[in-house]
Amino acid sequence: GAGVSQSPSNKVTEKGKDVELRCDPISGHTALYWYRQSLGQGLEFLIYFQGNSAPDKSGLPSDRFSAERTGGSVSTLTIQRTQQEDSAVYLCASSLSSSSYNEQFFGPGTRLTVL
Amino acid sequence: AQKVTQAQTEISVVEKEDVTLDCVYETRDTTYYLFWYKQPPSGELVFLIRRNSFDEQNEISGRYSWNFQKSTSSFNFTITASQVVDSAVYFCALRISSSGSARQLTFGSGTQLTVLP
Repeated sequence: GAGVSQSPSNKVTEKGKDVELRCDPISGHTALYWYRQSLGQGLEFLIYFQGNSAPDKSGLPSDRFSAERTGGSVSTLTIQRTQQEDSAVYLCASSLSSSSYNEQFFGPGTRLTVL
Repeated sequence: AQKVTQAQTEISVVEKEDVTLDCVYETRDTTYYLFWYKQPPSGELVFLIRRNSFDEQNEISGRYSWNFQKSTSSFNFTITASQVVDSAVYFCALRISSSGSARQLTFGSGTQLTVLP
């Protein structure tokens, strides 16, 4: 079946602009995660959605970052007033449930470059 | 807080050699899962293996094997008879089971494995 998909695959933007990154999880997966991968920080957790519960935003680096998940499926990560330090690969992952047993399946990522 | 340490930043081996990737973790939780993921040059993280904290039995799956030792908080991963296609960045990750937690993966910094022909 189809895996996790993300769009766009690459995004170049100017400092101060807003960007939206999209994630389509695997059908039927109730848990969805956003991570960020950058050279200096490695792989960092950003935000977590489980079904219709309130998201866990504990990993978001600043209030410029927000995310939503509509209808328990597609998720959008929004970065407002982008800064150069936001440049990174943003990875989305989904899993069958939030059980720690379930592996997370990752999408190909969106490479964000802020000029 | 959880922490995963992969001390080996880069490893280079010649094809057909065996290679072991080290992973040391820290957590106060008694129930957790450990994972290894592979990230080839294409960039997509691929799940390889999983082990829960109550099962220290070491296993072999094809050319992959792992050595989980709670006493030393280590979860090492071995590739036997390495192949050029094994060249990738390998990440060790920890996921706790505490109720109420996001149960996100905590990743190590990764080990770049290069297998030379």
